[in-house]
Amino acid sequence: AQKITQTQPGMFVQEKEAVTLDCTYDTSDQSYGLFWYKQPSSGEMIFLIYQGSYDEQNATEGRYSLNFQKARKSANLVISASQLGDSAMYFCAMREPDYGGSQGNLIFGKGTKLSVKP
Amino acid sequence: DAGVTQSPTHLIKTRGQQVTLRCSPKSGHDTVSWYQQALGQGPQFIFQYYEEEERQRGNFPDRFSGHQFPNYSSELNVNALLLGDSALYLCASSLERAQETQYFGPGTRLLVL
Repeated sequence: AQKITQTQPGMFVQEKEAVTLDCTYDTSDQSYGLFWYKQPSSGEMIFLIYQGSYDEQNATEGRYSLNFQKARKSANLVISASQLGDSAMYFCAMREPDYGGSQGNLIFGKGTKLSVKP
Repeated sequence: DAGVTQSPTHLIKTRGQQVTLRCSPKSGHDTVSWYQQALGQGPQFIFQYYEEEERQRGNFPDRFSGHQFPNYSSELNVNALLLGDSALYLCASSLERAQETQYFGPGTRLLVL
């Protein structure tokens, strides 16, 4: 069963505008972590933001914020004030369980290709 | 503070050959995970090493094996290469006793002809 679903194969956004990349997940574990990574054409996966399942506040890191809706099992990434350098593949990932001492591996979605237009 | 490094960056092999990929974790990290990313797909978990032992394994055949050394660096070995093994191989490191994310290296692009 697919555990991470990213339904947007590609997205376009105008420079300086905000964009939301969708991610839904499936798990029966109470402890899990949700991650977003950026992958430029060079191939390296760059960590953007993390949300733990027990965190009550939505995570934010600079221009990135994670819209965590636990009941809906969604973890959408919001990028504010898009820049040309934001053009890349974006992957949502889940780790279960998510506690030190027995961290699980990351399960990735298929990704969304974001293109920022000048 | 050195990040995760991988070698080589690119590799071309023929079917049936064997390949070894190398990874040095981020300074202070003790856990190494390997992922395979086929073209147009998200990375898929191969296995994870901690304290020189394979701790978790994804759905990959025994042709895929690994090793972790006392300095926490790691190798991924693939025997009897198939065309379908062509992919980007990513190494990620993390700290076992901390709720940290995994940090990825630049990857090794393997092409099997």
